[in-house]
Amino acid sequence: GENVEQHPSTLSVQEGDSAVIKCTYSDSASNYFPWYKQELGKRPQLIIDIRSNVGEKKDQRIAVTLNKTAKHFSLHITETQPEDSAVYFCAVDPPGNTGKLIFGQGTTLQVKP
Amino acid sequence: KAGVTQTPRYLIKTRGQQVTLSCSPISGHRSVSWYQQTPGQGLQFLFEYFSETQRNKGNFPGRFSGRQFSNSRSEMNVSTLELGDSALYLCASSLEVGNTIYFGEGSWLTVV
Repeated sequence: GENVEQHPSTLSVQEGDSAVIKCTYSDSASNYFPWYKQELGKRPQLIIDIRSNVGEKKDQRIAVTLNKTAKHFSLHITETQPEDSAVYFCAVDPPGNTGKLIFGQGTTLQVKP
Repeated sequence: KAGVTQTPRYLIKTRGQQVTLSCSPISGHRSVSWYQQTPGQGLQFLFEYFSETQRNKGNFPGRFSGRQFSNSRSEMNVSTLELGDSALYLCASSLEVGNTIYFGEGSWLTVV
């Protein structure tokens, strides 16, 4: 089955710096890759997603890039702010309309003011 | 539009008891899935329902079960609770299978 690896597990940056989180997956037929942000005690919230027919997607300070050949996708946050501090999860929707997402282990991002 | 609603939000149970958690999806959403979140194992898929049918099940023992009603609301049940079942149980809904999923706030279960 699909396997998702997420790195790094923790990331500390200064306010205003950029942050990059990378995920690799195993099934080349997977075609949907969302990113979720989870603040302490809150629900995971979708922040951006990308489908396999697109190489990059941007939404203000957040972008996601997908390299299908290498089977990895990355979350890029520019001009980080303290409110970006949270746990970020990547996920992969495996092929076959399974109705499930396979999640990475999460990255704890700390943005220092 | 109201989001995914889960009840109860917090509960404490004793080993050996059973628990039922409830989820109301976003209006119009027909697919409901459940996830278990623990510090050690992260977010793990439990099962997914669409039109009252369980379409997929994760790698959990048979003590974990669920169902979906005709109005798309869903329940999950855990019988013979173990300490290791302590977790945040998240329900998520989507319009159709394969669409974006949206999570509820979760039900925090503590087994003592």
